[in-house]
This record gives sequence, structure tokens and C-alpha cells, in this order.
Amino acid sequence: DIQMTQSPSSLSASVEDRVTITCQASQDISNCLNWYQQKPGKAPKLLIYDASNLQTGVPSRFSGSGSGTDFTFTISSLQPEDIATYYCQQCDNLPFTFGPGTRVDIK
Amino acid sequence: EVQLVESGGGLVQPGGSLRLSCAASGFTFSNYWMTWVRQAPGKGLEWVAGIKPDGSEKDYVDSVKGRFTISRDNAKNSLYLQMNSLRDEDTAVYYCASSRATLGYWGQGILVTVSS
Repeated sequence: DIQMTQSPSSLSASVEDRVTITCQASQDISNCLNWYQQKPGKAPKLLIYDASNLQTGVPSRFSGSGSGTDFTFTISSLQPEDIATYYCQQCDNLPFTFGPGTRVDIK
Repeated sequence: EVQLVESGGGLVQPGGSLRLSCAASGFTFSNYWMTWVRQAPGKGLEWVAGIKPDGSEKDYVDSVKGRFTISRDNAKNSLYLQMNSLRDEDTAVYYCASSRATLGYWGQGILVTVSS
């Protein structure tokens, strides 16, 4: 199975700060990498697919980049409603494994 | 509006069985791969199983192979997960989701608790 790692595991930032999360795959997954947001008690929500494509309706402050084994997720200006846990997921090989998550809160 | 609504969860003893259902609406269910994902309490997400639109192909994570069966009824716009030989470690919120890997729509989740 492909192992996914994320860093940091948690972060605290101020409103309007730029926030960056990294995700690494244990083998080359090309650009087959998705990012999800999960708020407490809610289902995950797809934000970014295929590493850098913004899902319809998702604010443009969210972005993603990378290919191969190293990926980055960025919130350009953190908003209070962005408090959540963010997961990366590889979509290249079965089983479609998720990273352990990065918890983001407001300082 | 796309809706996925899970049902059938609850408390079951180790070794027992449970059948989850997911009712879909708002999209052409029969055109989509469908997936089950679970989340143990306080833990991350785990992809569990997926099924092709016509039901001819099914995939499972190793930890549930031989115990869980994914199925669908396209006439009823419904997805199922039959869970047998349940273990403590199967305790989780189970989500149904659309598509095979890039999961665009999710249900609200249903809790399955395996405990004696």
C-alpha cells in the first residue's frame, strides 16, 4: 500500500495568515492527489483534486501543487471558517490511502 | 441537490453482522463508482471498499477482505455494505461517497460500534 505522510500534524495561525501543509507519498503517484477538509462532526469535503484543481464552489484562497511524491496545500489567507482538519489522499493505487491529517486552528 | 443518506448502523457484538445502506439522490447513481470510507473515533479516514457502476468490479482494503461485501441496487439508487465477523477495530463512522477515488459527494455518516 502507498503510505501518505503529512506535516505538520497540527498548526495554529492568525486570521489572514498564509498556511501551508505538505503531503508526501511513499512512491510516485504522478498528480493523483486530493485534498479534503473535515470540520468537527461533519463529513469530509473535497477541496482540491489531481493535485492542483479547485473543486467547483471552493474559495480561491485554497490551492494545491506538486507531483510525484511531494505535494503542498495552501490557504493564502486563513479565515475563521477554515478551522478544520485537512487530509491528503492518493488516487493512484488501491487502496486509495489518506494521510493522517493536519489540524488547523486560529491562534 | 446531491444527497447520500446512510442507515443501518448501531451497536453489535464482536463476531456479529450488520448491513449498512446508503440512499442516493440528485445524480445518476447508475453512472458512478461508489465507495465506503470509515473513520474510527478520533482517528483519520480509511478507504474501505468501492464498486463499479454496474457492480461487476469490487475492491476492498485488506483488513476487511473476506468479511465485508459491497453491493448496489441501481434500480433503488442504493449502496450497501454487508459487514460480517465484526471486530472491535471496525468501530467507526462509515461514510458512503460518490466516485472511485476522488470523492466529490459524501453522506453524513453512520456510527457502527462493535462492543460486548
